[in-house]
Amino acid sequence: EVQLVESGGGLVQPGGSLRLSCAASGFTFSSYEMNWVRQAPGKGLEWVSYISSSGSTIYYADSVKGRFTISRDNAKNSLYLQMNSLRAEDTAVYYCARGAAAGTIRYYFDYWGQGTLVTVSS
Amino acid sequence: QSALTQPRSVSGSPGQSVTISCTGTSSDVGGYNYVSWYQQHPGKAPKLMIYDVSKRPSGVPDRFSGSKSGNTASLTISGLQAEDEADYYCCSYAGSYTSLWVFGGGTKLTVL
Repeated sequence: EVQLVESGGGLVQPGGSLRLSCAASGFTFSSYEMNWVRQAPGKGLEWVSYISSSGSTIYYADSVKGRFTISRDNAKNSLYLQMNSLRAEDTAVYYCARGAAAGTIRYYFDYWGQGTLVTVSS
Repeated sequence: QSALTQPRSVSGSPGQSVTISCTGTSSDVGGYNYVSWYQQHPGKAPKLMIYDVSKRPSGVPDRFSGSKSGNTASLTISGLQAEDEADYYCCSYAGSYTSLWVFGGGTKLTVL
C-alpha cells in the first residue's frame, strides 16, 4: 500500500524557517517524481514544487522561488521542503504528492499524504 | 485568485447528475489533454478521480466522468450518492517552469 506521511509543520514567526519531511513507503520511491502542493485555510490547492526521481531536475512556483528548497534522499525514501523567509501567506497545509514514474509521461498526482500544517504568525 | 475558474458550489439530489466546469486558457486546459480532478472530503487529503481529461483510476466508480472542450473541462457525476458530497478541484498541466500545474479554486458539491 502506497503511503506518504508528512511531518515537520508547526508555528513559526514571519521570517523564520521550517523543514518539512515526507516519508514514503509501499512503492519504489527512487523511481517516482514527487511534488509539494499546499492549501491555505479555506482555500484551494496550489502547486509548490517538483523534483525528478533522481533529484536532478527541480521546479518551483513563482510564489516560493528563492525561499523554498525541495530535495530528496532516495536511500531514506524521503522528500523534503526547506522553507526560509516564511511569510504569513505561506500559512497552509502542505501535502506531498506522487507524480510520474521515471520514464513515463504522466501529469497528475495519484497519491497524496495527509498533510502537515504550517502556520506563520507572530 | 486561482488560475482555473470553477463554480463555488453545485448541488443535486440523490440519483441526479451534476456537472462541474473548469475554465482555463489555451496555455493550460486548452493546450494539453492533462486535466485531472480531485475529490477532497473535509480534513482529508485530495483523491484522484479523473486524469488525462477523461480517464478513471482503478477503484473510481464509473459514475464519475470527465470531458473537455476548448479551454473548459468538465466533471460529471451521475447517480449522485451522499458520499459524493465533497470539494472537487480541477488541475491542469501548464508547462511553465514556474507554474507546472495550475488548480481551480474548488467546487463544493452538496447532495441535497
